[in-house]
Amino acid sequence: AQSVTQLGSHVSVSEGALVLLRCNYSSSVPPYLFWYVQYPNQGLQLLLKYTSAATLVKGINGFEAEFKKSETSFHLTKPSAHMSDAAEYFCAVSDPGNQFYFGTGTSLTVIP
Amino acid sequence: KAGVTQTPRYLIKTRGQQVTLSCSPISGHRSVSWYQQTPGQGLQFLFEYFSETQRNKGNFPGRFSGRQFSNSRSEMNVSTLELGDSALYLCASSSGQGRNNEQFFGPGTRLTVL
Repeated sequence: AQSVTQLGSHVSVSEGALVLLRCNYSSSVPPYLFWYVQYPNQGLQLLLKYTSAATLVKGINGFEAEFKKSETSFHLTKPSAHMSDAAEYFCAVSDPGNQFYFGTGTSLTVIP
Repeated sequence: KAGVTQTPRYLIKTRGQQVTLSCSPISGHRSVSWYQQTPGQGLQFLFEYFSETQRNKGNFPGRFSGRQFSNSRSEMNVSTLELGDSALYLCASSSGQGRNNEQFFGPGTRLTVL
């Protein structure tokens, strides 16, 4: 069975500070992992995905995530937060049947 | 390519009524998935249709149903609405083949049940 856990439903960072959003997964097969971002009143947009190639994945808007099998983690980072990064972030894992399992989300607030 | 479109964007219904939501996927995509999003619950998977067949189903009561047409457009129906059905309903499309294919989301339909 597949599942993801996002630690911290709310994260606040100062503008220019490091962003770290945590995601741990559980998967009975080699995982395919995704990070999505949702801005207010919009659908979800893909930030990046891990599909068993490089363990460090670079995405859009300066975000990246590192797959760590030993820790079953796929944390999302960005070196320097920008005001426009304020949004809801979702981690997801897909199963062999193409079904996606999403975490409960982390709301990122950027303090000027 | 046009993105995923959902209609209507907003709906207000009363308890006991039924509602139909529509989703048009990206051209060429054969898979459409539906999710219910509520504060604190994240995205709850409803069901997935692939080539007009329901391929996956989440843990929702039978009041929630869906279908997919030959042009891949999908509809979701909720009967006998309850207050707890108030949510943002998101539709996502993908090629449906291969685990690494991302899902593309529509803007959602905001359903309010009074």
